[in-house]
Amino acid sequence: AQSVTQPDIHITVSEGASLELRCNYSYGATPYLFWYVQSPGQGLQLLLKYFSGDTLVQGIKGFEAEFKRSQSSFNLRKPSVHWSDAAEYFCAVGARNTGFQKLVFGTGTRLLVSP
Amino acid sequence: ETGVTQTPRHLVMGMTNKKSLKCEQHLGHNAMYWYKQSAKKPLELMFVYNFKEQTENNSVPSRFSPECPNSSHLFLHLHTLQPEDSALYLCASSQEVAARETQYFGPGTRLLVL
Repeated sequence: AQSVTQPDIHITVSEGASLELRCNYSYGATPYLFWYVQSPGQGLQLLLKYFSGDTLVQGIKGFEAEFKRSQSSFNLRKPSVHWSDAAEYFCAVGARNTGFQKLVFGTGTRLLVSP
Repeated sequence: ETGVTQTPRHLVMGMTNKKSLKCEQHLGHNAMYWYKQSAKKPLELMFVYNFKEQTENNSVPSRFSPECPNSSHLFLHLHTLQPEDSALYLCASSQEVAARETQYFGPGTRLLVL
């Protein structure tokens, strides 16, 4: 079964600084990979996803993520953080197998943006 | 209304009460999901419906009873809950039940069991 680890529970970044959120997965093959964001009082919203092809994926709100097979990672990045990016970020992994296909989510990383 | 809506947004109930959570999706999707989100834990998938048929019950206690009368509506009936059931309950939908599909989430119902 697949699993996903987000090693950072909280991260604080100054507004305008760059951001990288870590995600590592465990799966026997290349999984489907997703990043979702959850703002306070809201449900989860998809930022970007990777299925195959170019390992650098562009998403909404200026986010990007890079799939690195050798490191089993799918880290999320943004070159310049805005105060409105403060939220909780979830990495999710989907299995490419037969039978019921579900997403497995990480525990999330809460991003705090300081002025 | 667009997207996925959930009502109520907040719910406080005693352990002997019976209540229901409602979810409605306006996206024309065929699959709907219930998730439980507790602090410091990953999202837990509870139930999955595909074309109104339940395809997954992730070992959820029987005090949670889902109902899907059509592809647009999903309910979660609650009875004799425990305090540890307090959590944010999220509904989601997708075009079909497949790991590659983007899931669209509602804002959730914050449940407190006293």
